[in-house]
Amino acid sequence: DTEVTQTPKHLVMGMTNKKSLKCEQHMGHRAMYWYKQKAKKPPELMFVYSYEKLSINESVPSRFSPECPNSSLLNLHLHALQPEDSALYLCASSQADAGAKNIQYFGAGTRLSVL
Amino acid sequence: DAKTTQPNSMESNEEEPVHLPCNHSTISGTDYIHWYRQLPSQGPEYVIHGLTSNVNNRMASLAIAEDRKSSTLILHRATLRDAAVYYCILRAPLSGTYKYIFGTGTRLKVLA
Repeated sequence: DTEVTQTPKHLVMGMTNKKSLKCEQHMGHRAMYWYKQKAKKPPELMFVYSYEKLSINESVPSRFSPECPNSSLLNLHLHALQPEDSALYLCASSQADAGAKNIQYFGAGTRLSVL
Repeated sequence: DAKTTQPNSMESNEEEPVHLPCNHSTISGTDYIHWYRQLPSQGPEYVIHGLTSNVNNRMASLAIAEDRKSSTLILHRATLRDAAVYYCILRAPLSGTYKYIFGTGTRLKVLA
């Protein structure tokens, strides 16, 4: 099973709402990632978790708050977002070591619209 | 960060080979070269990767220049299902882990 599951698939929220995106994998991967993708652009890395600890934060605004409650689950908590935050949010996972066979597996994403 | 450069778009006829180029002149010695593709409304899908030697798998071949400053993804016989955005990516070490540095992607159109 090489599946990364993201829920919900679509989300519409107002600028005062609080919502969460969820990502789950059961491949035994100990590294998990959040990316943001705007239309017709490549994905941009937001956060990296390695062994449930945040290892990379690419200067993401604090209105995005990641959480890794266990090795299979990754959340992204959203609060007071702006319309320009509307995008496809992708989750990925991989083995945590930097070996030759280390590749990332991506979920299908959550398409977020902020009104 | 190292950077990759790809053509914005390419076209191919169905059942013909496709060569997708990528320049990565600032690549460092430990950076792997990965290729992913993304179909509409889906996440990126792994295609192939390599470090120095050419690589083959059931989906494609990857040809890496001897100086590693460029690479080419080869689809041997394009089908309509291969129409997608293809990303050339460098996997670079960072803060005890590593990150993917995505290129801008090449949109491949396959003509029937």
